[in-house]
Amino acid sequence: QQQVKQSPQSLIVQKGGISIINCAYENTAFDYFPWYQQFPGKGPALLIAIRPDVSEKKEGRFTISFNKSAKQFSLHIMDSQPGDSATYFCAASLSGNTGKLIFGQGTTLQVKP
Amino acid sequence: AAGVIQSPRHLIKEKRETATLKCYPIPRHDTVYWYQQGPGQDPQFLISFYEKMQSDKGSIPDRFSAQQFSDYHSELNMSSLELGDSALYFCASSLGGTGRNGYTFGSGTRLTVV
Repeated sequence: QQQVKQSPQSLIVQKGGISIINCAYENTAFDYFPWYQQFPGKGPALLIAIRPDVSEKKEGRFTISFNKSAKQFSLHIMDSQPGDSATYFCAASLSGNTGKLIFGQGTTLQVKP
Repeated sequence: AAGVIQSPRHLIKEKRETATLKCYPIPRHDTVYWYQQGPGQDPQFLISFYEKMQSDKGSIPDRFSAQQFSDYHSELNMSSLELGDSALYFCASSLGGTGRNGYTFGSGTRLTVV
């Protein structure tokens, strides 16, 4: 059972466009939601993270939108660039827990020049 | 800045052999996490250690064991290897046992079992 569901599985966007990746969760005990970027053969790298008491967080071209009542959160990549082509994972972590991350299934993003 | 160091980067083993993967956390980080990522899959949590004690356990086979040493580096020992153990193994480290401070992944060890 996938505790964090991510969509779409793959995404193709033109350079300069907006990439949107969505995640949904069931466990209301999750209280930390990071997004990771992973290039082939590399480890996941933290992009941006949000907690449930905030509805939106922006860092450069990356924005997380969080809807606590719907138990959904999304990553928006503005002005997408070919260098953003990678696999993106959303994740969740439990309150007061050991830091174990539960990942979504991943989205492979391709930004076309 | 220093990152999480994993060794070896690549490892090829035969079925039923053993393998040892090593992880050196960022200096002063006291928590280590191990994840397994199959081809085209999301990372799956295996086990974690905080201050040299096991802090959490995920879907880690009984054939696998791990520990964190006094210098905070960690080793994942894998015995009786199976073809299905072929995967990328990532280690991450953080400061403090909750994983909310400086959570950083290494570049992984690619294990191939033939």
